[in-house]
Amino acid sequence: GENVEQHPSTLSVQEGDSAVIKCTYSDSASNYFPWYKQELGKRPQLIIDIRSNVGEKKDQRIAVTLNKTAKHFSLHITETQPEDSAVYFCAAYSGGGADGLTFGKGTHLIIQP
Amino acid sequence: SAVISQKPSRDICQRGTSLTIQCQVDSQVTMMFWYRQQPGQSLTLIATANQGSEATYESGFVIDKFPISRPNLTFSTLTVSNMSPEDSSIYLCSVRRQSANYGYTFGSGTRLTVV
Repeated sequence: GENVEQHPSTLSVQEGDSAVIKCTYSDSASNYFPWYKQELGKRPQLIIDIRSNVGEKKDQRIAVTLNKTAKHFSLHITETQPEDSAVYFCAAYSGGGADGLTFGKGTHLIIQP
Repeated sequence: SAVISQKPSRDICQRGTSLTIQCQVDSQVTMMFWYRQQPGQSLTLIATANQGSEATYESGFVIDKFPISRPNLTFSTLTVSNMSPEDSSIYLCSVRRQSANYGYTFGSGTRLTVV
């Protein structure tokens, strides 16, 4: 089945700087890659996603890039703000007999004031 | 996105007992899933709840321990059976609408503590 690796596990950046979180996946059939933000005690919230027919997608300060050949995708957050502090999870969907998402282990993003 | 109501939001249970968690969606959805999130960890898929048929379980999860029902396209239950402290986790329901946009949405979760 699919395996998703996520790095780093913890990322601390100064407010206003950029943050980058990277994920790799193993199943070349995977075709959908969402990113979730989870604040303490809350449910995971979808913040951006990308499909395999697209190389990059941007939504205001958040962008995701996908390299299908290398089987990796990244989340980019620019001009970070204190409210960006949370745990971020990448995930992959490969379809077929497994319709659920496979998640990375998460990155704890800390925005230093 | 779909509005998901999950209950109970939390519970403290004695070992050896069972707890049933309910997931209600505000509209019909094609796919419903159950995930487990152990403290400080990522989300692990337990099973896909299939309407009108037996759930599809992921490796490491079995029906006797986590029986699932899905009587219609808006409701599902997950039972955690014969609980032990190792079952202490957050259990989350998730849905995916039948559309070109996959859009997986999560319920608010059930925080289970087994003592």
